[in-house]
Amino acid sequence: GDSVTQMEGPVTLSEEAFLTINCTYTATGYPSLFWYVQYPGEGLQLLLKATKADDKGSNKGFEATYRKETTSFHLEKGSVQVSDSAVYFCALEAGGYQKVTFGTGTKLQVIP
Amino acid sequence: DADVTQTPRNRITKTGKRIMLECSQTKGHDRMYWYRQDPGLGLRLIYYSFDVKDINKGEISDGYSVSRQAQAKFSLSLESAIPNQTALYFCATSPSANTGELFFGEGSRLTVL
Repeated sequence: GDSVTQMEGPVTLSEEAFLTINCTYTATGYPSLFWYVQYPGEGLQLLLKATKADDKGSNKGFEATYRKETTSFHLEKGSVQVSDSAVYFCALEAGGYQKVTFGTGTKLQVIP
Repeated sequence: DADVTQTPRNRITKTGKRIMLECSQTKGHDRMYWYRQDPGLGLRLIYYSFDVKDINKGEISDGYSVSRQAQAKFSLSLESAIPNQTALYFCATSPSANTGELFFGEGSRLTVL
C-alpha cells in the first residue's frame, strides 16, 4: 500500500538557519505530494503541493521538489523564523480517490 | 468563525461510555473525513464520506461508526469507548474537484479513562 516516511524529530534550529526535512514515499502510479503544517493547538493546513514529477511547490519561503527518480519530496527553507515552529507532515494522494496518506510528522522548534 | 467546526474540543470520559464527536462545515464541500492523530503515528483515516449516501471505512474503523446527517455534518461515534481510543481526532473536508487538499477542523481531544 501507499506509505510516507519522514525524518523523525524533533528538529531544533536557531533562527535564520537552513531547514531540510526529508520525506520519501511509496505509491502505485503517480501520486500528488503535499506538505501540511500544524501549528500548536490547531488543525493541519496545506503548506504546499506538487502534482507531477519535477514540479516544485512553494509557499511562505518553503519549497519542495517532486523527485520521481528518488521518490522523495524534501521540504526546505533557507532561513527559518521562530514563527515556523510547528509539526510538518508529508503526505500523498494516489489513485484519484482523495484518500490522503500522511507521514508521522516532524516537529520543528526554532529558537531565537 | 472556522469553516470546519468540531465539537467538543475536549472530552474526558470513562471506559464503556458512548461518545459522539460532531463536525460541521460551511465550505460547501461534498467530501468529509475523520482522522485520528497519535504521537509517533501521524494521522490515520477512520472513515470518509464522498456524499450523504456514500460512507466508507478507512484503515482503522474498528470500534467507530459514523453518520452523515447532511452535506455539512459528519459525526463520529464510539459506541463503547476504550482507553486506546484516547487520541486527537480531526475532521476534514475537501471539494470533489480537488485532489488531495484537505481542510481541517481544530481537533477534538478525547481521553478515555
